[in-house]
Formats: sequence, structure tokens, C-alpha cells
Amino acid sequence: EDKVVQSPLSLVVHEGDTVTLNCSYEVTNFRSLLWYKQEKKAPTFLFMLTSSGIEKKSGRLSSILDKKELFSILNITATQTGDSAVYLCAVYLAFNTGTASKLTFGTGTRLQVTL
Amino acid sequence: NAGVTQTPKFRILKIGQSMTLQCTQDMNHNYMYWYRQDPGMGLKLIYYSVGAGITDKGEVPNGYNVSRSTTEDFPLRLELAAPSQTSVYFCASRGTSGGAWTQYFGPGTRLTVL
Repeated sequence: EDKVVQSPLSLVVHEGDTVTLNCSYEVTNFRSLLWYKQEKKAPTFLFMLTSSGIEKKSGRLSSILDKKELFSILNITATQTGDSAVYLCAVYLAFNTGTASKLTFGTGTRLQVTL
Repeated sequence: NAGVTQTPKFRILKIGQSMTLQCTQDMNHNYMYWYRQDPGMGLKLIYYSVGAGITDKGEVPNGYNVSRSTTEDFPLRLELAAPSQTSVYFCASRGTSGGAWTQYFGPGTRLTVL
């Protein structure tokens, strides 16, 4: 069974701290890994990672994939209260004999940034 | 360009009632998806479609049906609502943007079955 596991489940940090969120996966037919941010609404796309060792950056957020060890991390530096959200990791894999691909999601990490 | 829209935003159903959740996208995406998200959980795929007239089951299809008569619309039907279907439902569509297979999500429908 395809599995995506995120840790920690929840995290409370002070504004200005740096946080690292983890995502490990055990899936067949891996295609890519995605990170989403979910506030009180639909998930919004952050990063898509396909190749190992190549860091993707967007402002204070960065992410990297290790396809050998089957995990990814999402780093947020100098956290702000606006970073408070659930961060979802999802893996794209081939589905139904490869005719389509689907996202399998982890349960998410709930991040709370306090003043 | 509205992206992915869903209606209604909220709905309360009694056990055994039926309803259709509407989803429309204006990005001309071929792939469309329905997910459900239970409290504190990740998203689970219910049904997906690779184009008009083509649909297939996801991980948790029981109790639901879909149709895809046009590229834009992908409604999800609940025939006999059960309390286990209380959840938030997200519709998504996928295109290729800058080489990334980005899924765009609608705002969600919060459904309660009593």
C-alpha cells in the first residue's frame, strides 16, 4: 500500500525561528513529490520536486528531495505568523496501469508560529 | 479566469438524502479530481477524470458517482448520504504549468450528514 508519512504532526515555534518539516514515502511508480500549504481553505501549491539533491527555493521556504532515502524536507527560515498553516506533502505516482497519475497525501504537519 | 469553482460551500444532509456537488474549471484542463478530507487527515482521492467522457475510481469511491460530459464540469453525486460521508470535499484540476504538474484546488464544500 502506498504510504506518505509526515513528521512532526504539529509544531509550535516563535516568530523568527527556523523549522524543518519532514516527509517520507513508500510508494510504487513514484513520479514526483509536492508540498502544499493549507490554511482554512484549499491547499495552495508550494513546490514540486522530481530530482534528488536539487533544492527548490521560494523566499524563506526551501525544499529538497532524496530519492535514495525516500524523503523530502521543507525548511522555513525566519518564520512569521503568516506561516501558520498545515503543510501537506503529496507524492505523484502512476495509477491504473499508468494511464493516469494521482496524488497520495500525507496527513500534514500543523505549524503554529507565535509572537 | 476564475480557476476551479465549487458549489455549494456548505451543506447539511439527512441520512439517505442525495445531492450533487458541482465543480467547474475554466483553464481547459483535461485532468480533474475529487478528494475528501476528514478532520486532521490528508486528502483521499474519490474519483478522477482524464478527459470528457472518461472517469475512473480513486481510493475511496464507494457511495459516490461522477460524470464528465464536458471539459469544464465534473460533478460528484452522493446517492444515499451516510454519516461517514461527513467531510470537506475538494475538486482539483491539473494542467502543465512551467513544466510542473500543478493541481489547482477549488475552495471546498463542507458537507455534514446527520
